[in-house]
Amino acid sequence: DIQMTQSPSSLSTSVGDRVTITCRASQSISSYLNWYQQRPGKAPELLISATSSLQSGVPSRFSGSGSGTDFTLTISSLQPEDFATYYCQQSYSMPYSFGQGTKLDIK
Amino acid sequence: QVQLVESGGGVVQPGRSLRLSCAASGFSFSGYAMNWVRQAPGKGLEWVAFISHDESNKQYAESAKGRFTISRDNSKYTLFLEMSSLRNEDTAVYYCARDGWVEATRTIFDSWGQGTLVTVSS
Repeated sequence: DIQMTQSPSSLSTSVGDRVTITCRASQSISSYLNWYQQRPGKAPELLISATSSLQSGVPSRFSGSGSGTDFTLTISSLQPEDFATYYCQQSYSMPYSFGQGTKLDIK
Repeated sequence: QVQLVESGGGVVQPGRSLRLSCAASGFSFSGYAMNWVRQAPGKGLEWVAFISHDESNKQYAESAKGRFTISRDNSKYTLFLEMSSLRNEDTAVYYCARDGWVEATRTIFDSWGQGTLVTVSS
């Protein structure tokens, strides 16, 4: 099974900050890496698929990069609505696995 | 628009069974694979089960194998998860999620329901 490890687990940030979240796979997953945002008390929402493809309606301040085992999610300038928990997920093979999440909170 | 509405959660004793449902609308249900994903209180996301659009392929997480059964009724636009021999560690919010599989992405969970809480406790 493929293990996904995110870092950091949490981050205290401010509006306007640039944030980078890292996700590492235990083996190569090519570009089959997706990112989800989960706001408190809500269901997750798909942000980015296949490493770097933004879903419709996702602001351009979000971007993704990487390949193989190392991936990043970058938010160029944090907005108040971005304070949430972010999860990476590999779709390379079953069982599909998620990272443990990165919680962004207000400094 | 795509809508997924889960139901059937509640409090259940260890060892008992529970059946979750997910009512789909706003898309051609029979054309999509579906998944169940769960989230224990204060914890991360865990994929539980997958079913292909025509039920020909079903896959389970190790934690669900032998105890959970995923199924669907395409005529009623409904997904199910039958859970038996429930354990305390099965306590979680259970989400149904549409599988937006395409070659470039493989499985992505592109739409989610609001979730239904299952609490396993004596």
